[in-house]
Amino acid sequence: ETGVTQTPRHLVMGMTNKKSLKCEQHLGHNAMYWYKQSAKKPLELMFVYSLEERVENNSVPSRFSPECPNSSHLFLHLHTLQPEDSALYLCASSQELAGDRSYEQYFGPGTRLTVT
Amino acid sequence: AQSVSQHNHHVILSEAASLELGCNYSYGGTVNLFWYVQYPGQHLQLLLKYFSGDPLVKGIKGFEAEFIKSKFSFNLRKPSVQWSDTAEYFCAVNARTGGFKTIFGAGTRLFVKA
Repeated sequence: ETGVTQTPRHLVMGMTNKKSLKCEQHLGHNAMYWYKQSAKKPLELMFVYSLEERVENNSVPSRFSPECPNSSHLFLHLHTLQPEDSALYLCASSQELAGDRSYEQYFGPGTRLTVT
Repeated sequence: AQSVSQHNHHVILSEAASLELGCNYSYGGTVNLFWYVQYPGQHLQLLLKYFSGDPLVKGIKGFEAEFIKSKFSFNLRKPSVQWSDTAEYFCAVNARTGGFKTIFGAGTRLFVKA
């Protein structure tokens, strides 16, 4: 596998379910991101992890819980979601060096989430 | 708060037509600027980027963008589009003092007629 992979690609869940989205980057990067992409809205940054520490939490409801066990893996744990949470969830990674932070991101294919 | 505005939500062009997609941002400090593209069924990928130096930036597939600091703009151009340029294009801005937070525009859907 190369680049950034995400599983599952599609997920349908009820409002009382608990599920997790998985992201894996094979690029040796040290920062990982979760974004939400809804129809006709800009990409919304949800969380950022740098060197496995959360550095951004963009006012995301607590029903979304991120986890970054190592620099290659990122999870988004979902519980008691609402129908308005239906969207494409994108994972990205970047390589940030001290003094040379470009924030150029590499994206995965996304997980299409439908909450019923 | 920072924001990014893309002027056109949908653009339809014939092959060989010239393209210019507008992007304006609101932030007065030093910025990194990006254009990302999402081809049908594919990942978002970087088209080009500006960090410093020459404000005219060349990217892949014949695309270029010009950073005009006084206008807070970073418009994307291509002299002659092809059918394969049909995609959604996203402008993005990162304020260098803002850490990892990159703000994306709402995107412009380009359809090129063969």
